[in-house]
Amino acid sequence: DTGVSQDPRHKITKRGQNVTFRCDPISEHNRLYWYRQTLGQGPEFLTYFQNEAQLEKSRLLSDRFSAERPKGSFSTLEIQRTEQGDSAMYLCASSPGTSGGARETQYFGPGTRLLVL
Amino acid sequence: GENVEQHPSTLSVQEGDSAVIKCTYSDSASNYFPWYKQELGKGPQLIIDIRSNVGEKKDQRIAVTLNKTAKHFSLHITETQPEDSAVYFCAASPSGGSYIPTFGRGTSLIVHP
Repeated sequence: DTGVSQDPRHKITKRGQNVTFRCDPISEHNRLYWYRQTLGQGPEFLTYFQNEAQLEKSRLLSDRFSAERPKGSFSTLEIQRTEQGDSAMYLCASSPGTSGGARETQYFGPGTRLLVL
Repeated sequence: GENVEQHPSTLSVQEGDSAVIKCTYSDSASNYFPWYKQELGKGPQLIIDIRSNVGEKKDQRIAVTLNKTAKHFSLHITETQPEDSAVYFCAASPSGGSYIPTFGRGTSLIVHP
């Protein structure tokens, strides 16, 4: 399968705990995006990378959230001191970006559903 | 920033009927408009997209139209089938830089057999 993959698919945690999610993009894509989706809403942008550089962060991304893409391949999203309001689906998407083709077209992974108790 | 409105929020049709979902956007700098289908428990799947230099695009039973002057675009699904039942999202994205899309709130399409 050459699509975007995410791990884990589901995560249940207690308030105050830290969680980390992983995203593996389509291999030739140099852009990687993180989104959050709550029930009845469309995906909301959190942050994106071009290769290993984090180029933009949304105001939704509080200081409890951090994302990395250390070698320009997979990315991790960590949430520290989780709160019940963090419960959502966390989606990752990748696009060719500046590497040609339909550079703005984003392909999503299956998401990680987080439940904070 | 960009604001995307999507209507209706729920659409119920009989199998074989057509379905139309409409979106409006606010930022005239947007020039890429993808549509995604999301099934329960899955990530959004790109089904069709259109760029601002094109007024209409068709792929089998799915078509998208774009009116840049009025800032609205629509998804048309003909000969609907029960497997078309899902939530559909429209989005508007700027031409350069980040390509960060703004999504509508989604339309839940229910196709009754």
